[in-house]
Amino acid sequence: DADVTQTPRNRITKTGKRIMLECSQTKGHDRMYWYRQDPGLGLRLIYYSFDVKDINKGEISDGYSVSRQAQAKFSLSLESAIPNQTALYFCATSPGPGTYEQYFGPGTRLTVT
Amino acid sequence: QKEVEQNSGPLSVPEGAIASLNCTYSDRGSQSFFWYRQYSGKSPELIMFIYSNGDKEDGRFTAQLNKASQYVSLLIRDSQPSDSATYLCAGDSLNSGYSTLTFGKGTMLLVSP
Repeated sequence: DADVTQTPRNRITKTGKRIMLECSQTKGHDRMYWYRQDPGLGLRLIYYSFDVKDINKGEISDGYSVSRQAQAKFSLSLESAIPNQTALYFCATSPGPGTYEQYFGPGTRLTVT
Repeated sequence: QKEVEQNSGPLSVPEGAIASLNCTYSDRGSQSFFWYRQYSGKSPELIMFIYSNGDKEDGRFTAQLNKASQYVSLLIRDSQPSDSATYLCAGDSLNSGYSTLTFGKGTMLLVSP
């Protein structure tokens, strides 16, 4: 079984709809991250969480919100989707202090029409 | 703004040759550097990390770090067509007391049979 899973893997939604992307991990890592990837723009950090009670904005948090339901679960919500949120979304985890490598989930391809 | 710069490529090499991928970074406080491989439509996969100046070898891969020049490189020996992918360089950055990774936009590598 994959260590980091994301659901759904593909989603098409309409402008104005609320959508939630979910991430679960079995790696036992404390730190979790949400990124989006767009052609030519690379990976950009949306939100990150270093433990269940800790949520921080990344460089592009506008239009997004997150929830850390448990150590293993971190969800990303788009409250009112817009077409320029069409992208590939990745969840990632890392072990904790002193170790910074991140491990990525398989990604969610989101299309907003 | 803290940045990690990579040539977008594509870098084309024949099978069996050495591929050299380069990366520069702006944050002098960065201590840890990572190379990820990403196949088209897939998630980034960690292949190497390096914390100290000098070389670090792992199989066909060698990571090189020069903190004085703020330069990181990845050498792939005996390149194979299966190495054709986009390679992402990342460095850690401190933001408001939290350490996150800043990713370059990636270099596309094409290995021809």
